[in-house]
Parts: sequence; C-alpha cells; structure tokens
Amino acid sequence: DAKTTQPNSMESNEEEPVHLPCNHSTISGTDYIHWYRQLPSQGPEYVIHGLTSNVNNRMASLAIAEDRKSSTLILHRATLRDAAVYYCIPFSSGSARQLTFGSGTQLTVLP
Amino acid sequence: GAVVSQHPSWVICKSGTSVKIECRSLDFQATTMFWYRQFPKQSLMLMATSNEGSKATYEQGVEKDKFLINHASLTLSTLTVTSAHPEDSSFYICSASWANSYEQYFGPGTRLTVT
Repeated sequence: DAKTTQPNSMESNEEEPVHLPCNHSTISGTDYIHWYRQLPSQGPEYVIHGLTSNVNNRMASLAIAEDRKSSTLILHRATLRDAAVYYCIPFSSGSARQLTFGSGTQLTVLP
Repeated sequence: GAVVSQHPSWVICKSGTSVKIECRSLDFQATTMFWYRQFPKQSLMLMATSNEGSKATYEQGVEKDKFLINHASLTLSTLTVTSAHPEDSSFYICSASWANSYEQYFGPGTRLTVT
C-alpha cells in the first residue's frame, strides 16, 4: 500500500479557505486519490476522489500535483461543521477495493 | 446519497457474553461490506472484508473465530463479537459498496463497551 503523510492538525478561521495537503510519493500509477472525513463520533464520509486531473464537487476541490506525488484538498469556505479528521487515501480499483486509513489531519475551525 | 445504518448505536455488555452488530445498506445493494474498528484517538483499522454469499476475508491479527461476520444478503452484514472482553471495547464501523463503485458508504458506528 502507498504511504501517505499528512499534517497531524490544522486550524482555519470560519468562512476562510482551507488547503489540506497530503504527500503520497509511492502511489502507483493506477491508484486513485480518495479523501474521506470523519466528524466526531461518526463514521467517515466520502469527500472527493481523483486520478490525475483536478476535481470539483459540491463539498470540495481536489488539486493533484502533476507528478501525482501529492495532492491538496481545498475547502473553499470553512464552516464549523467542517471540523473533522480528514484522511487522504490512495485507492486501488482492483479486486480488493480496500481503504487503508492513516492518521489523517484534524481540522479545527475557529469562529 | 447511499445510506448505511448500524444497529445498535451503542451497547454495553458483560465480559464473556456475545454481541451482534448489524450493518444495513438502506437504498442500494452492497456486494461488498467492510468492518473496521477504531480505538480512542486512533485511526480506523480494517478488520475484514465480506462479499455477499462468501466467507469474509480477515486482516492479519484479527481472530475469525472471535469476530464472526455474516453477509447473507445484499443489504445486511452482521458482526458478532463472541466472548467479549474489556479489550474489545471499541467503536465498530461498517461500510458498504457495490461492484465497480469507487466510494465506500459508512455506517454511523457502534460503540461497544465491555464491563
């Protein structure tokens, strides 16, 4: 499995953009980059995923480096409800289709 | 979006008893379900993967005779913790996906406390 490196914690002010980085230098050429988040005492929630191109959805944007060794999850306007642990996970679309969770980044949003 | 439920949301049991946790996909057919365990302040750890109608595949270090997994239908998987001990106290989370899906849909989790 490809290893990921994320900051343990980050802080943001409410209504400001947040850039959550992830290094995945050993990712294979066919692995997707998935992001999930986990709010306190809840199961994780899918945020976004991508392969090579930048991706946008209603929750966030995903910027993927050209060499695919890193990516950045962008929350355009953080709200208090975005406070969660964010996990960056390389995902193989092969038969196992398993998610391996690292330690993630604890995002704190300040009012 | 796809919804996964778990029951119960929390349970307290005595040491030596067995506890069953249900995971249901409410609005889709889940060909694959996953069971995770999460201890306080730690990340999720995959326990096992189950495909409907097949035996579960357990991760290394997870005792298959202690954590019994049944995935008898496309909408229901159960995890039974047999002869529970205090060290089994944890947050158990299931997820589900369908064939060729890139996403996993997670349940809200079940907090197990063994006294």
